[in-house]
Amino acid sequence: GAGVSQSPRYKVAKRGQDVALRCDPISGHVSLFWYQQALGQGPEFLTYFQNEAQLDKSGLPSDRFFAERPEGSVSTLKIQRTQQEDSAVYLCASSLDWREWTGELFFGEGSRLTVL
Amino acid sequence: GDSVTQMEGPVTLSEEAFLTINCTYTATGYPSLFWYVQYPGEGLQLLLKATKADDKGSNKGFEATYRKETTSFHLEKGSVQVSDSAVYFCALSNTDKLIFGTGTRLQVFP
Repeated sequence: GAGVSQSPRYKVAKRGQDVALRCDPISGHVSLFWYQQALGQGPEFLTYFQNEAQLDKSGLPSDRFFAERPEGSVSTLKIQRTQQEDSAVYLCASSLDWREWTGELFFGEGSRLTVL
Repeated sequence: GDSVTQMEGPVTLSEEAFLTINCTYTATGYPSLFWYVQYPGEGLQLLLKATKADDKGSNKGFEATYRKETTSFHLEKGSVQVSDSAVYFCALSNTDKLIFGTGTRLQVFP
């Protein structure tokens, strides 16, 4: 596709359920990032991949959060045993090549997670 | 750690008014600085950037100058339009990820 695609756009989960959020980056983009954006806040870094390698996961808030990108393209962010504080918009972004870091990330529209 | 502080919004202006959105940062070394914009119903997109002190980034009539002495990167536009209504995020990067401010909502009325 032309841009970064995320699904689902909206997800309502009951506390304790597991959720999976999908990101399709721009074709050919090597780097992929996940950010969490709480209401009224800026995006907070969670993790990033270069191809299939997860190079930094320092932002994942707990071991309930897990991300993967097994073939270096599509990525999935999984949250186990969701809690109310996990309610946020989860943003995915991609960029062409981290070795020529320009700071330009291409963002999807996000997946809004609401945990009841 | 590195951080970005932005003025709180919303900023409400009439069309053709002058815009300033303040941004200051705390960082080690020499970060690159960015402004991202989020229009209603769309994803974040890069508006402009500056990679070293005294650089000026500009795009779509917006400008921001990297001021190391005041650790600032204020966003300005001489004459705003209704179509500029959006949320604006200041961000910095020291390595290979972006650190964002909390965002400032701009509302422009005709």
